[in-house]
Amino acid sequence: GAVVSQHPSRVICKSGTSVKIECRSLDFQATTMFWYRQFPKQSLMLMATSNEGSKATYEQGVEKDKFLINHASLTLSTLTVTSAHPEDSSFYICSARDGLGRGEKLFFGSGTQLSVL
Amino acid sequence: DQQVKQNSPSLSVQEGRISILNCDYTNSMFDYFLWYKKYPAEGPTFLISISSIKDKNEDGRFTVFLNKSAKHLSLHIVPSQPGDSAVYFCAASATGNQFYFGTGTSLTVIP
Repeated sequence: GAVVSQHPSRVICKSGTSVKIECRSLDFQATTMFWYRQFPKQSLMLMATSNEGSKATYEQGVEKDKFLINHASLTLSTLTVTSAHPEDSSFYICSARDGLGRGEKLFFGSGTQLSVL
Repeated sequence: DQQVKQNSPSLSVQEGRISILNCDYTNSMFDYFLWYKKYPAEGPTFLISISSIKDKNEDGRFTVFLNKSAKHLSLHIVPSQPGDSAVYFCAASATGNQFYFGTGTSLTVIP
């Protein structure tokens, strides 16, 4: 099946610093990638949809200036958490679609556990 | 508002028996449903899917049933194995673009 690589798997940073998370589709081209966030014992919440070559579409309540998304190529999307604070600590997961049209699957990266001290 | 709900946060089953995980949804426009399995600190992995034109889809030990009138789907795992212990998420889509996830059910298969 399709492979989505996400790095880093774990980040611990100081409050006020910025953290970049990379998501790569290794064996397919992904015109659309999705960024999710998961709090403990809660569902995966869609943060934004990343479209190659255009601006990301953010879900309601997600600060686009805080969570910067760049989808510079068909195989790479990055999420940068700017000026991170402890409340940004969470598990961030990217996903990508392989194929076009209806019914295609989402393939997920392995996730990034962000801990802001 | 949670459009996809998994009302059982946890489930324990003896090895070899059937595991039944349930999922309810509210949006009648949803026409494609998936189940994912997730281990701690890992991304979800795809298990099985079903489109609204079917009421059942089977893949090995995994079977998904869809009841459109009740807006309910379920995942059956039989026989259950200890390696099946994980959190299971159901997801639904209306456009094939954005997927909505349930809160997950933690399955424990007891050897």
